[in-house]
Amino acid sequence: EAQVTQNPRYLITVTGKKLTVTCSQNMNHEYMSWYRQDPGLGLRQIYYSMNVEVTDKGDVPEGYKVSRKEKRNFPLILESPSPNQTSLYFCASRQTGKYSNQPQHFGDGTRLSIL
Amino acid sequence: AQTVTQSQPEMSVQEAETVTLSCTYDTSESDYYLFWYKQPPSRQMILVIRQEAYKQQNATENRFSVNFQKAAKSFSLKISDSQLGDAAMYFCAYRSSDQTGANNLFFGTGTRLTVIP
Repeated sequence: EAQVTQNPRYLITVTGKKLTVTCSQNMNHEYMSWYRQDPGLGLRQIYYSMNVEVTDKGDVPEGYKVSRKEKRNFPLILESPSPNQTSLYFCASRQTGKYSNQPQHFGDGTRLSIL
Repeated sequence: AQTVTQSQPEMSVQEAETVTLSCTYDTSESDYYLFWYKQPPSRQMILVIRQEAYKQQNATENRFSVNFQKAAKSFSLKISDSQLGDAAMYFCAYRSSDQTGANNLFFGTGTRLTVIP
């Protein structure tokens, strides 16, 4: 089954404790992206990647890091989490090139609470 | 970044009735994609319908249809014969179709739809 898998689904942690949210897709998609969703703000893009070793900032990258060492994986890293990073996070992927008209596939979301 | 505006934070509809959710966007491009996503309480992002800007015909998926007004940069979603399962947050989204660029997806702030039995 084609899917984007995020882990964990829920996490409660404390300020300053490094954490990683993993994202993996099994569709051989080149493009992957991270979003955060906050009430009244919709989904905002944090980082995206056009392919392996190619990453770029989205609209709200401060406080986050990403890496793309393999095509299928695109982890989101919070080196020193702060309470303002409490949010719902989504990973997504899609094809590029001549198939770029296809919609994105989304993971099921990760609810992060930073105390 | 492109701007997508959903001016209705909340809407309600009686079961079996029709409701229209509004969306406007700002772009200087001539070709792009527009999407409506549904987010039920499970938090999943579910694609409801999409429209390619070069197509004049409005997209339709069963009870869901859009009114795409390119000149007005408007992309409203009509839900006919509303069902209890339609209750969700609905997001409008825009993406460029330029194959040379990143073509990131830009979202509106969402409309929460309540269906009244």
